Amino acid sequence: EAGVTQFPSHSVIEKGQTVTLRCDPISGHDNLYWYRRVMGKEIKFLLHFVKESKQDESGMPNNRFLAERTGGTYSTLKVQPAELEDSGVYFCASSQLWEGSYNEQFFGPGTRLTVL
Amino acid sequence: LAKTTQPISMDSYEGQEVNITCSHNNIATNDYITWYQQFPSQGPRFIIQGYKTKVTNEVASLFIPADRKSSTLSLPRVSLSDTAVYYCLVGYGQNFVFGPGTRLSVLP
Repeated sequence: EAGVTQFPSHSVIEKGQTVTLRCDPISGHDNLYWYRRVMGKEIKFLLHFVKESKQDESGMPNNRFLAERTGGTYSTLKVQPAELEDSGVYFCASSQLWEGSYNEQFFGPGTRLTVL
Repeated sequence: LAKTTQPISMDSYEGQEVNITCSHNNIATNDYITWYQQFPSQGPRFIIQGYKTKVTNEVASLFIPADRKSSTLSLPRVSLSDTAVYYCLVGYGQNFVFGPGTRLSVLP
C-alpha cells in the first residue's frame, strides 16, 4: 500500500513568487491534515479536511495561504505571495475517518520550502 | 488548545529502557495523546496512542496518569536505530498540538 506522498520534495523560490504544494493521501483516507515546521520552531497544525470540506483552518497563518481538496482526493496548499518567514518543512498527513478512539495519522515525507 | 512541553534531548545506551515525558497541563477532555518518531528527512511515524492509564504495543508503552496532564513514552531495550526525535501529539478530531520534540541519542 502506497503511503502519503508529497510533491515536490524541495522547492526554492524568491520572495513574492507563488508556490503550490501537493499531497496525495493514502487511498480511502477521508481525513487530510497540513502541518508545517518553520526553522527552529515546533511542528504546527495548519488545517484539516474531511473529504473535500475544511473542518478547521485555525492554524493557517494568514490569507496568503490557500488549501484545497477538490473531489476529496489529493490536496494542494498554495502560498501566494511567498514571504521569507514561510520557509520551512510542510507535512501532510492522512487518516481514516475519526471513530472516536483511534486516529493514527500517516505522515508524508514533507516538502522543504525555501524562500529567498 | 493544549500546550505541550518535552525535554529537548536525552542520551541512553543500547539495551537500556528509555522514558520520555510530555507535559500537557491544559489537555481537553476529548484529547488523545499520540507519540511519533521522526528520522531526518522523513515524516513523523506513529508509535503509540492512548487516552488514559496504560497502553502497550509491540514497540512501546504509554503511561498516562489519572489527571492526564502528562504522559510517558517508555521504550524498552533501545538500540542504535532508535536514535531519532520523539514527539507527543495532543488532540482530538481536528486541531492537534505537537510537542517540541525530544532528540534521543542511543550510544553503543
